[in-house]
Amino acid sequence: GAVVSQHPSRVICKSGTSVKIECRSLDFQATTMFWYRQFPKQSLMLMATSNEGSKATYEQGVEKDKFLINHASLTLSTLTVTSAHPEDSSFYICSAEQTGLDYGYTFGSGTRLTVV
Amino acid sequence: DAKTTQPTSMDCAEGRAANLPCNHSTISGNEYVYWYRQIHSQGPQYIIHGLKNNETNEMASLIITEDRKSSTLILPHATLRDTAVYYCIVNLPQGGKLIFGQGTELSVKP
Repeated sequence: GAVVSQHPSRVICKSGTSVKIECRSLDFQATTMFWYRQFPKQSLMLMATSNEGSKATYEQGVEKDKFLINHASLTLSTLTVTSAHPEDSSFYICSAEQTGLDYGYTFGSGTRLTVV
Repeated sequence: DAKTTQPTSMDCAEGRAANLPCNHSTISGNEYVYWYRQIHSQGPQYIIHGLKNNETNEMASLIITEDRKSSTLILPHATLRDTAVYYCIVNLPQGGKLIFGQGTELSVKP
């Protein structure tokens, strides 16, 4: 079945630094990928839709200059958290849509970001 | 906003069937009902989906009412590993955004 690899699984960074999270579709091409954020005891919140070769579409209230999304190929999308602060600490999850399957959303295993 | 409502939590005895309800009274004619689950600190896992007919796969069964305003996910023989948050989502089959509600936290107890 479809597999989405997300890396790293855990990262700790200092306040003010930037962190890049990668999301790869391993056995299919994904023209569209999605990025979510999840705080403890809460549901997944959609941050943005990443489209291959074009700009990402951000949900209301998500700072596009802080959460940079690049979808440069059909198998890779990256999320960069810039100038990270402790309040950015969260669980970040990506998903990819596999064209042709009517259940075509496969999720990565998530990245636990801790900003100290 | 999510288009579904689910109970916040449910308990189920190991080996028994777990029946998880979902209301989606505003579902449109071409939207499917999808079920995902999330085990603690992992990404969501696809379970099953359907349009209007009942569906069954190796993981679960999905029963959709005739008016499509509600559905029930059935785990026929729940195990401790089925303890997770279960999300019911309505969405178009291609090109839509999966919007998660609060889900149901299912606890399977020995």
